[in-house]
Amino acid sequence: DVKVTQSSRYLVKRTGEKVFLECVQDMDHENMFWYRQDPGLGLRLIYFSYDVKMKEKGDIPEGYSVSREKKERFSLILESASTNQTSMYLCASTMITGSVPGELFFGEGSRLTVL
Amino acid sequence: AQTVTQSQPEMSVQEAETVTLSCTYDTSESDYYLFWYKQPPSRQMILVIRQEAYKQQNATENRFSVNFQKAAKSFSLKISDSQLGDAAMYFCAYREGAQKLVFGQGTRLTINP
Repeated sequence: DVKVTQSSRYLVKRTGEKVFLECVQDMDHENMFWYRQDPGLGLRLIYFSYDVKMKEKGDIPEGYSVSREKKERFSLILESASTNQTSMYLCASTMITGSVPGELFFGEGSRLTVL
Repeated sequence: AQTVTQSQPEMSVQEAETVTLSCTYDTSESDYYLFWYKQPPSRQMILVIRQEAYKQQNATENRFSVNFQKAAKSFSLKISDSQLGDAAMYFCAYREGAQKLVFGQGTRLTINP
């Protein structure tokens, strides 16, 4: 089974802190994604990556950056956390080609609270 | 950009009954994929069912089926014989580009015993 692991399920940080959210997948997937989930807004794409050291902005990249130094790991960075970044963050991965196009495999999520 | 709309924030159904979740989308493409994902409480989101736009036949996976109306840009999910384990947030999604998905707002489904 594909496993996508997010390093922290719950985090509490203070405004202005630098926050790292880590995501690791074990199925050699090329594509990795960071989504933000908020009630009434669904999932919104922050950043995605098609390959190592490659990144592309999603729909809401402001205030975030990412790093993909190894194929299995995709990190989301909040350079200076703000209260409006309090949210659930979901990491996902998928192959470029496969029998089920578009099937994303998700981690359990990281619930971040910024005080 | 493509948009996906789920107009039902919450739905409830009696156990063993049938429920339909609605989804509409907007696109100018002719070939695309649509998906329903399920997010159980405190658990990972998983794929329930997918539909390829060029296929006229509605997709079915056991108790889950879709009603795909391409001209109306509608993609509803029907759950038959609802079970307590079906309680979850359900998200409709459209595939934009190579592998990027655009999600709807979600519908919270409650199953009443």
